[in-house]
Amino acid sequence: SAVISQKPSRDICQRGTSLTIQCQVDSQVTMMFWYRQQPGQSLTLIATANQGSEATYESGFVIDKFPISRPNLTFSTLTVSNMSPEDSSIYLCSVPTSGTSNYGYTFGSGTRLTVV
Amino acid sequence: GENVEQHPSTLSVQEGDSAVIKCTYSDSASNYFPWYKQELGKRPQLIIDIRSNVGEKKDQRIAVTLNKTAKHFSLHITETQPEDSAVYFCAASRRGTNAGKSTFGDGTTLTVKP
Repeated sequence: SAVISQKPSRDICQRGTSLTIQCQVDSQVTMMFWYRQQPGQSLTLIATANQGSEATYESGFVIDKFPISRPNLTFSTLTVSNMSPEDSSIYLCSVPTSGTSNYGYTFGSGTRLTVV
Repeated sequence: GENVEQHPSTLSVQEGDSAVIKCTYSDSASNYFPWYKQELGKRPQLIIDIRSNVGEKKDQRIAVTLNKTAKHFSLHITETQPEDSAVYFCAASRRGTNAGKSTFGDGTTLTVKP
């Protein structure tokens, strides 16, 4: 199954600054997704990272706030821009466990972001 | 879009008892229903999933049932153990191009008392 390396694992950032989160997968995957998990809550999909084209954002999330890069089939970054305390959350990337969508999804270890 | 409701939000059982968590979904096109277990401070881990062409699936102490007509699916854990204590999330999605685009329930915090 796919193995994901996500970093940083945690960060404390000043409001108004930006943080870029990276996910590296040990195999090529067509689909990569970015989720947000606010403290004590469920997972909310931010966007689908598409290789070779712009990311597809879910309602309530915009590219200016959460720019995403997907330069190849094993790597993606999510940037949280112009941060405010409301952005304090865990951010996770997710990929198909087996490279295809047939066998569930694996999550990265998450990035715990605190904005002060 | 898809809406997934999950109940109960908290569940406390005695070790050895069974636990049942229920979810309903709204999008009749959803055809893939995974369950994730998230221990404190860790990532969600897939524990079992079911596809819409199957009514029930079992893996040791864990089973999932699906009722497509009623649009609900349930997680059953038998002979619960303290290490089953975690937050459990159900999800619904469409397999295929956007299969990873899952909508999650709000989670159930399961506590198994020794």
